[in-house]
Amino acid sequence: AQSVSQHNHHVILSEAASLELGCNYSYGGTVNLFWYVQYPGQHLQLLLKYFSGDPLVKGIKGFEAEFIKSKFSFNLRKPSVQWSDTAEYFCAVNPQTGANNLFFGTGTRLTVIP
Amino acid sequence: DTEVTQTPKHLVMGMTNKKSLKCEQHMGHRAMYWYKQKAKKPPELMFVYSYEKLSINESVPSRFSPECPNSSLLNLHLHALQPEDSALYLCASSPTSGSIGEQFFGPGTRLTVL
Repeated sequence: AQSVSQHNHHVILSEAASLELGCNYSYGGTVNLFWYVQYPGQHLQLLLKYFSGDPLVKGIKGFEAEFIKSKFSFNLRKPSVQWSDTAEYFCAVNPQTGANNLFFGTGTRLTVIP
Repeated sequence: DTEVTQTPKHLVMGMTNKKSLKCEQHMGHRAMYWYKQKAKKPPELMFVYSYEKLSINESVPSRFSPECPNSSLLNLHLHALQPEDSALYLCASSPTSGSIGEQFFGPGTRLTVL
């Protein structure tokens, strides 16, 4: 079955540590890829997106993600996290089938300790 | 205006009540979406409207009835809900319903069914 997997359910880091959150998908065709963030009590916000071109994409707040087509992966990274990065992070996939279906992974909760 | 607004923020209803959730955007987007998000789970797509017409219904029970009166408004009419329908209901919009993918989310309505 087609799916989006985020294997890290809860990640706890100290401030200034580096972050990498995994995302793998199983759709066979061309896809658009996204990372959304949901800060406590706030709505989903787009961090970054990949449609085509350079597989290394940069988003807001110092986040970046790398699309590795051969691994069906789109991992999120940040060199140095801050306490304010504490949030739920969702990877999402839009299979390019002509319909704007957006499928979310199960999310990774990031807790950054000051 | 780059916002998607949703009212009410919170709603408590009994199983015999009829209520409606409202969503509004003024970004000129022609696709609008309803998602359901249970606690600690990812959003799940319910409905997609494209150019004010229902284009996707993800096998949602008939006790949820969407309506798109115009290109800026999206309603979700609720009737005879069950306690398991308690969740955060998210509205989103995107420029088109084609495979562009980027969606803008509202803050959600937190629904409790007693």
